[in-house]
Amino acid sequence: DAGVIQSPRHEVTEMGQEVTLRCKPISGHNSLFWYRQTMMRGLELLIYFNNNVPIDDSGMPEDRFSAKMPNASFSTLKIQPSEPRDSAVYFCASSTWTSDETQYFGPGTRLLVL
Amino acid sequence: LAKTTQPISMDSYEGQEVNITCSHNNIATNDYITWYQQFPSQGPRFIIQGYKTKVTNEVASLFIPADRKSSTLSLPRVSLSDTAVYYCLVGDKGNNDMRFGAGTRLTVKP
Repeated sequence: DAGVIQSPRHEVTEMGQEVTLRCKPISGHNSLFWYRQTMMRGLELLIYFNNNVPIDDSGMPEDRFSAKMPNASFSTLKIQPSEPRDSAVYFCASSTWTSDETQYFGPGTRLLVL
Repeated sequence: LAKTTQPISMDSYEGQEVNITCSHNNIATNDYITWYQQFPSQGPRFIIQGYKTKVTNEVASLFIPADRKSSTLSLPRVSLSDTAVYYCLVGDKGNNDMRFGAGTRLTVKP
C-alpha cells in the first residue's frame, strides 16, 4: 500500500495567491483529516470527513480556507487568498470507520507564503 | 473532549527504559487512549492504543491504571532513533475528533 499521498510536498507562493493542497487517502479508508502544524500552535485539526461528508470544520481558521472531498480517493484543501501566517506544514491523514481508528498520516506539504 | 497533560520534554540515554506519563482526568467511559510518535519532517505515526490495564506490542507497552485517569507509555531500551515527539490522545473510537496536545519531546543521548 502506498500510504496517504500528498502533493505538492513543498509549496512557495506569494501573499494573495491561491494555494491548493491535495490528498489521496489509503484505499478503503472512509475518514479523512486535514491538520496544520506550526511551532507556535502545534498540530491542529482543521477539518475531517466521514464517507466524503465534512463532519467538523470548526478548526478551519477562517473563510479563506476551504476543503472538499469529491470522492473517496481525493481531497483538497484550498487557501484563497494566502497570507504569510498560513505558512506551516499541512498533513492529511486517513482512517477506517471501524474498530481500529488509527490515523495514518501522509508526509505533509510544507507551505511557505512570502 | 478529554484534555491530556504530558511533560513537555524528557531526556534519556541509549539502552534505558523510558516512561512517559499522560494525565487525562476527565476521560469518558467510551474513550480509548492512543499514542503517536512524530519524527522531524514526518507525519505522526501510531504506536499503541489501549482501553484499560496493559497493552504490549513490538514497539512499546501501555499501562493504564484502574481509574484510567492517566496512562504511561513505556519504551524499552531506547536508541538514538527513538528521539521524537510523543503524543497522547484520548477519544471515543466512534468519534474521530481526537485532538493532539503539545506532546513530549524525547531526546535520547549516546
